[in-house]
Amino acid sequence: SQQGEEDPQALSIQEGENATMNCSYKTSINNLQWYRQNSGRGLVHLILIRSNEREKHSGRLRVTLDTSKKSSSLLITASRAADTASYFCATDPVSNFGNEKLTFGTGTRLTIIP
Amino acid sequence: SQTIHQWPATLVQPVGSPLSLECTVEGTSNPNLYWYRQAAGRGLQLLFYSVGIGQISSEVPQNLSASRPQDRQFILSSKKLLLSDSGFYLCAWSLGVYEQYFGPGTRLTVT
Repeated sequence: SQQGEEDPQALSIQEGENATMNCSYKTSINNLQWYRQNSGRGLVHLILIRSNEREKHSGRLRVTLDTSKKSSSLLITASRAADTASYFCATDPVSNFGNEKLTFGTGTRLTIIP
Repeated sequence: SQTIHQWPATLVQPVGSPLSLECTVEGTSNPNLYWYRQAAGRGLQLLFYSVGIGQISSEVPQNLSASRPQDRQFILSSKKLLLSDSGFYLCAWSLGVYEQYFGPGTRLTVT
């Protein structure tokens, strides 16, 4: 079953603008991760945030985590055409009981308009 | 550095034919290995994962099976393909429940 749900499902912005996408999940987690997938390719890991962290940065990426709301957001600043891709959140639910697997959301399709 | 290989890149198979997709990882030992399927424009569905040789956990009951004959080799198989088996198959590896590293994927079309 899908643990994470991304919002919006699709987003189109002008190059140079900031892009924000959100992920909501249902149960308590150990960590949350964001991945990028270019069309027809495998996923690439972007950033991991642990349940005791509230914000994390990596280059033009900023991730926040609100465990009380069971939600996370991914902000991409100063977007570029190369950022066009689908973005997925993935969670490691506490209910996994040590089973080493992630649950992926449904993804946000981001299009950067040159 | 670690690399992950998947083949073939694309595959067109008739209904009822067998399937074998292979995934190998280089540059690491005792990785967790995963098989996912992705329908067009959709999220990832975990099919199988393995934390060691001969240890396979199945997530979705279906006509697919997986095997791990060697530490860094993961094989996805079917005896008889169904139309519903069409999709994009992704193999991934990880060390624990941290970052997963994905292969390039196999596009399977069952006709």
